[in-house]
Amino acid sequence: IAGITQAPTSQILAAGRRMTLRCTQDMRHNAMYWYRQDLGLGLRLIHYSNTAGTTGKGEVPDGYSVSRANTDDFPLTLASAVPSQTSVYFCASSDTGGSGANVLTFGAGSRLTVL
Amino acid sequence: GQNIDQPTEMTATEGAIVQINCTYQTSGFNGLFWYQQHAGEAPTFLSYNVLDGLEEKGRFSSFLSRSKGYSYLLLKELQMKDSASYLCAVRDSNYQLIWGAGTKLIIKP
Repeated sequence: IAGITQAPTSQILAAGRRMTLRCTQDMRHNAMYWYRQDLGLGLRLIHYSNTAGTTGKGEVPDGYSVSRANTDDFPLTLASAVPSQTSVYFCASSDTGGSGANVLTFGAGSRLTVL
Repeated sequence: GQNIDQPTEMTATEGAIVQINCTYQTSGFNGLFWYQQHAGEAPTFLSYNVLDGLEEKGRFSSFLSRSKGYSYLLLKELQMKDSASYLCAVRDSNYQLIWGAGTKLIIKP
């Protein structure tokens, strides 16, 4: 089934540890995104990539890094996790970088708790 | 700053009609989206409006007025499975999506 796979589904992490959230899509979409979702707030963009080999910063990039070595994979790394990074993280993709409807397809999410 | 406003929570009865409003103030406008998100799940696309007027898709319709910075999502013949959060998002002049916090819709029998 075509879509986006995220891993892990959930994780409890000690503060200061390094963590990588994985995201893989099989739809050959050009653009990929990482969002975090917190109670009472709208989805906030962390980083994005309009095409393989390029990345950009979103609204809340501090403490996070990404890479886009190929079309399918877009991992998100927390170099040194802090409790404020406790959130649900969604990876998404779309088939254009910014024109047209640009409908997002989301992964199932990764629930991260930093203690 | 950029802002999307939606009611936090609404309650409706099975079989009825409900309208979820969204007002926005953004730097430019390149389309408005509605997504549905069931608890613990990913958001899924419902509708897209870029021109003024009503877009109908089965039991769901979405309306846009660009001059008023206003949209609504209309759900007819409500079913229990429609209990979910409904997210409004606007694409700004930089083609970035600005998201509202979502409206949690509770359907009662």
